Amino acid sequence: ETGVTQTPRHLVMGMTNKKSLKCEQHLGHNAMYWYKQSAKKPLELMFVYNFKEQTENNSVPSRFSPECPNSSHLFLHLHTLQPEDSALYLCASSQWTSGSRTDTQYFGPGTRLTVL
Amino acid sequence: GQQLNQSPQSMFIQEGEDVSMNCTSSSIFNTWLWYKQDPGEGPVLLIALYKAGELTSNGRLTAQFGITRKDSFLNISASIPSDVGIYFCAGADNYGQNFVFGPGTRLSVLP
Repeated sequence: ETGVTQTPRHLVMGMTNKKSLKCEQHLGHNAMYWYKQSAKKPLELMFVYNFKEQTENNSVPSRFSPECPNSSHLFLHLHTLQPEDSALYLCASSQWTSGSRTDTQYFGPGTRLTVL
Repeated sequence: GQQLNQSPQSMFIQEGEDVSMNCTSSSIFNTWLWYKQDPGEGPVLLIALYKAGELTSNGRLTAQFGITRKDSFLNISASIPSDVGIYFCAGADNYGQNFVFGPGTRLSVLP
């Protein structure tokens, strides 16, 4: 399944580094999401973009900065991260229409991030 | 906020056995999804449920949308080694854009 791709698959960075995660969806969807998955915790929604506009930011620290240049691409810019930010970062997309039922989300393979 | 509970948290079964797991909430949901996640990969959608009481199958997998709209069940028949993984449920309220995910059920299949 290559509907949602993420790069890189693995990333190791120091606390002073700046890096970016990339997500691309090939499903023609209009909504994209960033999730954080830590060990033994439920998936945590970080950011939602709907029609390229950010509609939700679940109190995510400013060291995480999303960017959605178009409906197919989503970035997560990282700077001055902490070791506790180490996790699997998952991107997802869906087709969302106001007033209709919530449509299913399709996930990418994730980026395994390690902060030293 | 809304939370989902999944049980059991983990289970070990013999190959060929049937598996049942469930997902419960204190809130009403109008959409239920079941995902499976393999190690180092993203969750893969297994079954989507949109109507209370709905029973949907996908191969050896069957899921049901509880009539109270506060729970959902996933059954796997005749388990095989590749069924190993973490199974997540997710729920969404009416016209909500975002899903709430459960903590997952970790399934191990013994040969």
